[in-house]
Amino acid sequence: DAGVTQSPTHLIKTRGQQVTLRCSPKSGHDTVSWYQQALGQGPQFIFQYYEEEERQRGNFPDRFSGHQFPNYSSELNVNALLLGDSALYLCASSLRLAYHQETQYFGPGTRLLVL
Amino acid sequence: DAKTTQPNSMESNEEEPVHLPCNHSTISGTDYIHWYRQLPSQGPEYVIHGLTSNVNNRMASLAIAEDRKSSTLILHRATLRDAAVYYCILRDVNTGTASKLTFGTGTRLQVTL
Repeated sequence: DAGVTQSPTHLIKTRGQQVTLRCSPKSGHDTVSWYQQALGQGPQFIFQYYEEEERQRGNFPDRFSGHQFPNYSSELNVNALLLGDSALYLCASSLRLAYHQETQYFGPGTRLLVL
Repeated sequence: DAKTTQPNSMESNEEEPVHLPCNHSTISGTDYIHWYRQLPSQGPEYVIHGLTSNVNNRMASLAIAEDRKSSTLILHRATLRDAAVYYCILRDVNTGTASKLTFGTGTRLQVTL
């Protein structure tokens, strides 16, 4: 059973460019969340997708957008990259059950470096 | 979100028990206490969670204070593979399907031979 997979593993971009990161959830999971982790910090919640819609969003600008596909996989897009966007981007998947403390399963992340 | 406070770092010898503390003095009655850990170069992984009673699983034990204002993650016999950053996180059971995790800076556990 494959866990959460993310691609690419590493990425280098320059300021002003756009980037797309991809995530495939754990088999049987229907919800995908994205987190940004700066060096030395804990992960920060970006947004969560369920049923192809953004359900909750953290304190991130509109430059960060996402998408969920019918097969539950997801993309994170970042436009107009800034140096401060350099971070590890983590995808987590879970099974959405109302009022249930579901466990989130994280992928290994995509390390983005903006020059 | 209710806030948690953890020491920045702790050290342990291999094969000895480790007690990782977490303070959450503003916890509400509907907050579950979750622990995740992040091994080097990996994404976080779930460790354990509880509400009021102490909990055990194959990875660890969670001891929750009677007033729920603090909790302790217990690794019974630390190994080198337990070296990681440990995060204590509060999750409101009433959030239902809105289930984001709010991470702090965690405790970096160093395990030595």
